[in-house]
Amino acid sequence: KQEVTQIPAALSVPEGENLVLNCSFTDSAIYNLQWFRQDPGKGLTSLLLIQSSQREQTSGRLNASLDKSSGRSTLYIAASQPGDSATYLCAVSGSGNTPLVFGKGTRLSVIA
Amino acid sequence: DGGITQSPKYLFRKEGQNVTLSCEQNLNHDAMYWYRQDPGQGLRLIYYSQIVNDFQKGDIAEGYSVSREKKESFPLTVTSAQKNPTAFYLCASTYNRDTEAFFGQGTRLTVV
Repeated sequence: KQEVTQIPAALSVPEGENLVLNCSFTDSAIYNLQWFRQDPGKGLTSLLLIQSSQREQTSGRLNASLDKSSGRSTLYIAASQPGDSATYLCAVSGSGNTPLVFGKGTRLSVIA
Repeated sequence: DGGITQSPKYLFRKEGQNVTLSCEQNLNHDAMYWYRQDPGQGLRLIYYSQIVNDFQKGDIAEGYSVSREKKESFPLTVTSAQKNPTAFYLCASTYNRDTEAFFGQGTRLTVV
């Protein structure tokens, strides 16, 4: 059964710092990996989608990488801002059109 | 604007009551999903449907029921058999396995 782990569980950084969030998964036979952002009491917003054949995706200050063979993904946030404060979740979908399996998330606080 | 609408935002249930959470999407997505989120936990899959009139159990289906009579709608009923229903419920949809998942804003259910 696929398991997704996110480290660290919480992170606090000063504004302007570059940071990396980590995601690992136990079964490398994934179809794609997605990173989401969740603000308190809200739904999830998709940030980046990486297909299993891709190595990375970029959107603005965000860059996500995928190493399927080692079961790892990272989300790099450049020049962090207080508005980046949220919980970031990683999720993978397996072969056979299986639904997304989520990690528990990393709660990020960017301090002005 | 296209999106997913969940209602109500807050719901209170008395012991022994069944309650139904609404999820409607106008994105023309085939697949729809229900997840449950508890504090400190990741999202756990309750039920999903990949096509009208068909649905599958997720990891924690006991005490829940769903229907998919229309492509746009995927209501979730929390029955009295669900012993610990207090949680944040999230509905999601996808067009196909190659595209990102869209989430509603969630329903917070509390047992009183």
